[in-house]
Amino acid sequence: DGGITQSPKYLFRKEGQNVTLSCEQNLNHDAMYWYRQDPGQGLRLIYYSQIVNDFQKGDIAEGYSVSREKKESFPLTVTSAQKNPTAFYLCASIGGARISTGELFFGEGSRLTVL
Amino acid sequence: RKEVEQDPGPFNVPEGATVAFNCTYSNSASQSFFWYRQDCRKEPKLLMSVYSSGNEDGRFTAQLNRASQYISLLIRDSKLSDSATYLCVVTLNTGGFKTIFGAGTRLFVKA
Repeated sequence: DGGITQSPKYLFRKEGQNVTLSCEQNLNHDAMYWYRQDPGQGLRLIYYSQIVNDFQKGDIAEGYSVSREKKESFPLTVTSAQKNPTAFYLCASIGGARISTGELFFGEGSRLTVL
Repeated sequence: RKEVEQDPGPFNVPEGATVAFNCTYSNSASQSFFWYRQDCRKEPKLLMSVYSSGNEDGRFTAQLNRASQYISLLIRDSKLSDSATYLCVVTLNTGGFKTIFGAGTRLFVKA
């Protein structure tokens, strides 16, 4: 079955460490997105990529980095420069039959806790 | 002003009640509108798209008023399993999709 796989599901990190969250999709979607969700808040866009080898900053890109070397993969690195990294991170994509409306399809999320 | 604003909630209702969620958006160029459901500690999942003509899916009815920039979701005959957070979502196409999420309204349905 097609879908988006995020890993790890839960991750603990010490302050000052970089961590990379994986996002893999087999939906053949061109556009991929990373969102952050904090308790009681809506999703906020970190980075997005419309096509391989291209990506753009979202609303809260500081302290994060991404790459898009393959269509299927859009990993997110949370760097030590991110001041408050504890959050729920969601990867999403748009494509296929949904391309005309912009409907997002989400992975199950990765919950990062900084100790 | 937030780009997408929802009722702050939470809503606490008994089983069988009818509950209505309201949402307003600020950008008149918004093109697509959705309601997503998010269970605790899970990813959002599409509940339904919203059209100007209105759409209904079983106990759920969504309406869009472009003139007022207002979106609604009505849940009839609430079930315990309807307990979740409901996210109002608006999309603009600016050469690429920009998707804006409301903060969500939490619903608790009690027996």
